[in-house]
Amino acid sequence: NAGVTQTPKFRILKIGQSMTLQCTQDMNHNYMYWYRQDPGMGLKLIYYSVGAGITDKGEVPNGYNVSRSTTEDFPLRLELAAPSQTSVYFCASRGRDGEWSTGELFFGEGSRLTVL
Amino acid sequence: AQRVTQPEKLLSVFKGAPVELKCNYSYSGSPELFWYVQYSRQRLQLLLRHISRESIKGFTADLNKGETSFHLKKPFAQEEDSAMYYCALSGEVSGSARQLTFGSGTQLTVLP
Repeated sequence: NAGVTQTPKFRILKIGQSMTLQCTQDMNHNYMYWYRQDPGMGLKLIYYSVGAGITDKGEVPNGYNVSRSTTEDFPLRLELAAPSQTSVYFCASRGRDGEWSTGELFFGEGSRLTVL
Repeated sequence: AQRVTQPEKLLSVFKGAPVELKCNYSYSGSPELFWYVQYSRQRLQLLLRHISRESIKGFTADLNKGETSFHLKKPFAQEEDSAMYYCALSGEVSGSARQLTFGSGTQLTVLP
């Protein structure tokens, strides 16, 4: 059981380049998330999805786009990379909320992106 | 808006000493609180949640609504506890789902 898989693990981009961070999960989870982690700043939510075909902006969506064509995949697209997007990116997923509890979040290993 | 504050970026204790990682939150409703942990070269994972009232790896955390705190405690720290710890709150529904808001994290180092 692979859980949440992110690729690539590392990437260096030049300013203005574009790229897609891939995320896939095999747990049949409805909810999927993209976070970025900056040093000393904790995790900031970029985008999330509650199911195939549905996406919503999080706290810091500018400069990013997402799509959710299947339950399994939730790619994150950077169209015009900027140095401010240098960060570690985490994809996560969870199942439906229980009656009394928010479900556990399962994380990928992270993707370290540097924009020069 | 909901907010989570972890006032200590770095915390060092000696092996066998008690450890407390502080977490304070701001939320007007009934929150659900979590602690997530990231060990070196491993992915972020759930450590415990307040609703379960459980002890995991010797850690406990009690929700104090009066002080709006959810501090993580362990009576005798071990070297393998060295990791980054994040406090998280699930509360508001934003858009189409309840959101988890994370604190900025505390890097715990247990010294031999």
